[in-house]
Amino acid sequence: QKEVEQDPGPLSVPEGAIVSLNCTYSNSAFQYFMWYRQYSRKGPELLMYTYSSGNKEDGRFTAQVDKSSKYISLFIRDSQPSDSATYLCAMRETGANNLFFGTGTRLTVIP
Amino acid sequence: DADVTQTPRNRITKTGKRIMLECSQTKGHDRMYWYRQDPGLGLRLIYYSFDVKDINKGEISDGYSVSRQAQAKFSLSLESAIPNQTALYFCATSSPTPSTDTQYFGPGTRLTVL
Repeated sequence: QKEVEQDPGPLSVPEGAIVSLNCTYSNSAFQYFMWYRQYSRKGPELLMYTYSSGNKEDGRFTAQVDKSSKYISLFIRDSQPSDSATYLCAMRETGANNLFFGTGTRLTVIP
Repeated sequence: DADVTQTPRNRITKTGKRIMLECSQTKGHDRMYWYRQDPGLGLRLIYYSFDVKDINKGEISDGYSVSRQAQAKFSLSLESAIPNQTALYFCATSSPTPSTDTQYFGPGTRLTVL
């Protein structure tokens, strides 16, 4: 079983829709959770960063972590064509050096 | 964002050839990483280095070697390339802040081994 599971999609939504992206994980020691956005032919860039359980909001983006269910989510409100990209979840243990990535979900927002 | 640069951006080589991928950064970070990205497998860590004298194997180091020539430079070598090393390779850097350790990625090198 992989450490981190993520539905690869692809996911296609109309402009303005609310998008929900999710990852599940198996290692209960993961404490730091990240979402990266990767545009075509580019490197991943950090979008959201959360520690332990709870919610974090940044503009149109909200990250949620439910450690009891080993489940994290990224919500995008009022989605825009510029949000079209692959979204990767990543996570690690406290004090650990390795980041464990999901396989990424490819999102297309249709104008 | 040119803080992390990778050369070459694209490379086609033949089985058995030695190849080096280079990474340079101007972010002043101590930590540097090499990942490969494959469809359906995501990003996997090959090697990482916390300073010039510190090199560590990642999840998939077999068939690869690295060199940390300076704080700002970290190279990945394939001693004898094989077709299943065809992938997208990313270099990343991070600062040593324990609570975040945000990684910043370069633009990637697309490697094809024939």
